[in-house]
Amino acid sequence: GESVGLHLPTLSVQEGDNSIINCAYSNSASDYFIWYKQESGKGPQFIIDIRSNMDKRQGQRVTVLLNKTVKHLSLQIAATQPGDSAVYFCASQAGTALIFGKGTTLSVSS
Amino acid sequence: DSGVTQTPKHLITATGQRVTLRCSPRSGDLSVYWYQQSLDQGLQFLIQYYNGEERAKGNILERFSAQQFPDLHSELNLSSLELGDSALYFCASSVHRGSYEQYFGPGTRLTVT
Repeated sequence: GESVGLHLPTLSVQEGDNSIINCAYSNSASDYFIWYKQESGKGPQFIIDIRSNMDKRQGQRVTVLLNKTVKHLSLQIAATQPGDSAVYFCASQAGTALIFGKGTTLSVSS
Repeated sequence: DSGVTQTPKHLITATGQRVTLRCSPRSGDLSVYWYQQSLDQGLQFLIQYYNGEERAKGNILERFSAQQFPDLHSELNLSSLELGDSALYFCASSVHRGSYEQYFGPGTRLTVT
């Protein structure tokens, strides 16, 4: 069935490093992809999105890359800060529903 | 603060009981979505309402139902509760009928004992 998954459940980086969080999806019909950040005790927070007709999109300190050939999505965070520590989810849209991956916990140490 | 509000924040109840979770979307948003987040299943889409009408259904059990009222707030009703229903329940809202850029509320933590 349709699924969205992340390669690694946890990622630990040093403050100032660049972080890369990966995600694989299975539905070729997905036309829209989103990254969410969830801090402890809070709801998911929208970070950045990308449509299937794009390969790359940049935001403030974040970049999302989409490789439709291998159905892979990544989130790059530049100069990672302690405030970036959270669980990161990728999600794909097919029709109206959003399908979320399980999440990668990013830990940033000073 | 996303602008989406949910009440209550925590809810503890016994098996077999029924509860109602409430959500108020961001001002101007017409779509409301409900999600369940558990440790083993992750974040699962349950149901979507747009301007008072059901738009999409996901993995929602028959024991669960929802509605969206004319003032656009939404309620998720969970009945005949089981231990496995213990989870975080999130509401999200968006302007559009599709699920572009959904804004999530802080969630309701349901514990069934």
